[in-house]
Amino acid sequence: SQTIHQWPATLVQPVGSPLSLECTVEGTSNPNLYWYRQAAGRGLQLLFYSVGIGQISSEVPQNLSASRPQDRQFILSSKKLLLSDSGFYLCAWRDRAKNIQYFGAGTRLSVL
Amino acid sequence: AQSVAQPEDQVNVAEGNPLTVKCTYSVSGNPYLFWYVQYPNRGLQFLLKYITGDNLVKGSYGFEAEFNKSQTSFHLKKPSALVSDSALYFCAVRDMDTGRRALTFGSGTRLQVQP
Repeated sequence: SQTIHQWPATLVQPVGSPLSLECTVEGTSNPNLYWYRQAAGRGLQLLFYSVGIGQISSEVPQNLSASRPQDRQFILSSKKLLLSDSGFYLCAWRDRAKNIQYFGAGTRLSVL
Repeated sequence: AQSVAQPEDQVNVAEGNPLTVKCTYSVSGNPYLFWYVQYPNRGLQFLLKYITGDNLVKGSYGFEAEFNKSQTSFHLKKPSALVSDSALYFCAVRDMDTGRRALTFGSGTRLQVQP
C-alpha cells in the first residue's frame, strides 16, 4: 500500500534562517505531488505542484521554492524565512487510478 | 476558475442527532467533488468523493454526501453524530487542468458534537 511521509512534524526557526521540509511517497511511481499551506487552521492554499522529476510549477509568488530530485521526493525550501512563512505545510500525492489526493501529517512551522 | 463555498464556520449538533455540513461549488463542466476531515495538528483524511454516477455517495466512518447538480451543492451528512466526529471538515473541487489536477478547498467547517 502507499504511504506518504512528511518531516519534521514541528519546526521553530528564526527569521532569516533557511528552510528544508521533506516529503516522500512509498508504494507508487510517478505521482503528482503537491505542497499546500494552511494558515490559521483554515483554508488551504496550493503552493507548488509537480508532475515529474525536476518539473515544478509555482502557484503563488512567495519566498519559498520546491524541488523534486527523485520520483517520490518533494522538498520545500527557503533561503531566508520571513515571519509570514509561519503556518501548517501539507504535502500530498495524487492517486491517478482512484482520482484521490492523499495528504501527509503536515509540518507546523513557526518563524520567530 | 472553480470555487467552493462552505457557508458555516461552525456546526453544533448533539450526539445521536443527524448532522449536515454544507458545501456549494462553482465549476465549468462536470465537477469532481471531495470531502476531507482534519483532526487537530494532523493532515487531511479523505472521506468520500463524487465523480459520476449515483448522487448519494457513501464514504468512511458512516458519512455520506448528496450531489445536487441543480443547486450546485455537495452537502456532507451522517444519520447519527458521534462525539469523535468533532473535527474540521473541508469540501474540495478538483482542478479541470489536465496537468495540475490540484484541489481547490473551501474555508472549512468546524463540527462540534456535544455529548
